[in-house]
Amino acid sequence: EAGVAQSPRYKIIEKRQSVAFWCNPISGHATLYWYQQILGQGPKLLIQFQNNGVVDDSQLPKDRFSAERLKGVDSTLKIQPAKLEDSAVYLCASSVDRDRAHEYFGPGTRLLVL
Amino acid sequence: GNSVTQMEGPVTLSEEAFLTINCTYTATGYPSLFWYVQYPGEGLQLLLKATKADDKGSNKGFEATYRKETTSFHLEKGSVQVSDSAVYFCALRSISSGSARQLTFGSGTQLTVLP
Repeated sequence: EAGVAQSPRYKIIEKRQSVAFWCNPISGHATLYWYQQILGQGPKLLIQFQNNGVVDDSQLPKDRFSAERLKGVDSTLKIQPAKLEDSAVYLCASSVDRDRAHEYFGPGTRLLVL
Repeated sequence: GNSVTQMEGPVTLSEEAFLTINCTYTATGYPSLFWYVQYPGEGLQLLLKATKADDKGSNKGFEATYRKETTSFHLEKGSVQVSDSAVYFCALRSISSGSARQLTFGSGTQLTVLP
């Protein structure tokens, strides 16, 4: 079974530029999550989708971050404009549904904002 | 709100040593508890879990017992190997409704096992 795929794996940009990350969840997984992991900290949930609808985006900085999950499969997370403090690893995860406890994580995209 | 406090790292052990990584939590309701492991360059993987008080989760020689009276979920392994070198995250998921269903992670503990 293929795991959660993410791209790119690494990205370096300058502040005020925009950037987008892509995630392909495990086939058949209805729930998709985006987490932000700052160096030395645990992952923090940014947004959760159930199929193509948003379940929880309470911790997403909506003035600069946006995410979508068209057709309930792939998802993109965008930052515009980026700030220095956005430097982190962005993790995508998926699960069979929102009531199941087990989330499968992708390898992450490491973002450095200069 | 929910929170997880995890033993500060990094931890360095010799092969075959005994491992304990402490984890305590604060949560509403009766949370499920998890340990995730992150190997270099890889995503987080579920290591073990426990869903109710006194449950013991175990996997790959690692164990953790859900202690409601002390709100703890300490990770243990009797004899570590070099291949266990990774970052370990304690996490909880509350079974109450709404946004509390999300996973809340500790800050992680870096384990290095020397041959």
